[in-house]
Amino acid sequence: SQQGEEDPQALSIQEGENATMNCSYKTSINNLQWYRQNSGRGLVHLILIRSNEREKHSGRLRVTLDTSKKSSSLLITASRAADTASYFCATDNYGQNFVFGPGTRLSVLP
Amino acid sequence: ETGVTQSPTHLIKTRGQQVTLRCSSQSGHNTVSWYQQALGQGPQFIFQYYREEENGRGNFPPRFSGLQFPNYSSELNVNALELDDSALYLCASSPPIGVGTDTQYFGPGTRLTVL
Repeated sequence: SQQGEEDPQALSIQEGENATMNCSYKTSINNLQWYRQNSGRGLVHLILIRSNEREKHSGRLRVTLDTSKKSSSLLITASRAADTASYFCATDNYGQNFVFGPGTRLSVLP
Repeated sequence: ETGVTQSPTHLIKTRGQQVTLRCSSQSGHNTVSWYQQALGQGPQFIFQYYREEENGRGNFPPRFSGLQFPNYSSELNVNALELDDSALYLCASSPPIGVGTDTQYFGPGTRLTVL
């Protein structure tokens, strides 16, 4: 069963706007990671946030983690057409495997 | 590019057949995990191999089996293929514990179609 659940399932925005995706999970975690997938190909690692961290930045990406609510959010600022992809959160159950949510499909319109 | 390669890129099989998918892990990575991703879904964990031994398995039947070789490359074998096995199969490698981050690096995947 999938632990992570992304919200919304699909998101359509204009270039230059910000995109926010949310992820909820059910059990305690070691860390949470966000991945991007273009057109059903391999997943590209975006950012990792550990359970003792609350916020992390990488370029135009900002990730927050609220372990009390078992939720995370991914913010992409100043979006570009090239950001069009599916975004997945994955929770690390202490090393054995990652549990992925169903993903958010982001469309950035020029 | 992650350095993880998979072959073949695409594969078409018929029900009841057997298939072998291959994965070469990134240099220095001794752990390989396999995932199945159905269309429109997130990846589902199949199993993980660490130092040539299975190190955890998801909710997949025994007809899904694997191998890891001394050079840490890996194979995924699926017997008695069913239509629902049609999916993108992703391989991910990760470094030894304590080396680098707790991240898995994914290959481009093998698209399997079962007719």
